[in-house]
Amino acid sequence: DMKVTQMPRYLIKRMGENVLLECGQDMSHETMYWYRQDPGLGLQLIYISYDVDSNSEGDIPKGYRVSRKKREHFSLILDSAKTNQTSVYFCASSFAGDEQYFGPGTRLTVL
Amino acid sequence: TQTVSQSDAHVTVFEGDSVELRCNYSYGGSIYLSWYIQHHGRGLQFLLKYYSGNPVVQGVNGFEAEFSKSDSSFHLRKASVHWSDSAVYFCAVSPLNYGNEKITFGAGTKLTIKP
Repeated sequence: DMKVTQMPRYLIKRMGENVLLECGQDMSHETMYWYRQDPGLGLQLIYISYDVDSNSEGDIPKGYRVSRKKREHFSLILDSAKTNQTSVYFCASSFAGDEQYFGPGTRLTVL
Repeated sequence: TQTVSQSDAHVTVFEGDSVELRCNYSYGGSIYLSWYIQHHGRGLQFLLKYYSGNPVVQGVNGFEAEFSKSDSSFHLRKASVHWSDSAVYFCAVSPLNYGNEKITFGAGTKLTIKP
């Protein structure tokens, strides 16, 4: 079954705390993505990963970093979270530049 | 850099009606266009794509889209909508040579189906 999973689904953190969002996929896709979605703005690409330890900044990488040590896992890290990082975060994967498969999202609230 | 515009933030139709959701883009080169659907509280799901060939492409669940180079458009259509089509629809564009590294999503069109 082709699936992208995200953990946790909901997260509340205080400003300044560290945040770890996890993503997994079972399709052996080499390319994975992290997006954030804010009302009226569509999706904004934070980072793209082309394979293990091969990551590239997207449009809004500031305040975020990523880690990909296995092809099936891609993590998004917020060091010292800020209130303006409150958003819904989506992970996706694809075969090369083709259609993307999205996870269910993580709703992050930073107080 | 490419841009994408979805001119209608909200569209409301009755079940069984036809619908067209509009997407216009700007980019000077070859382009990859796609549509995604997002049901409430869920991730996006791929509907269809175009990058070459027949400008009318068929997708899942009876959706189709037509590419027009002259109008810089990629409008999504469905002949007879069902209540389950209620969702937000996103148009996405990316330069064909860059793939999803340079993908840009529109702001989305919320489609509401009345019974």
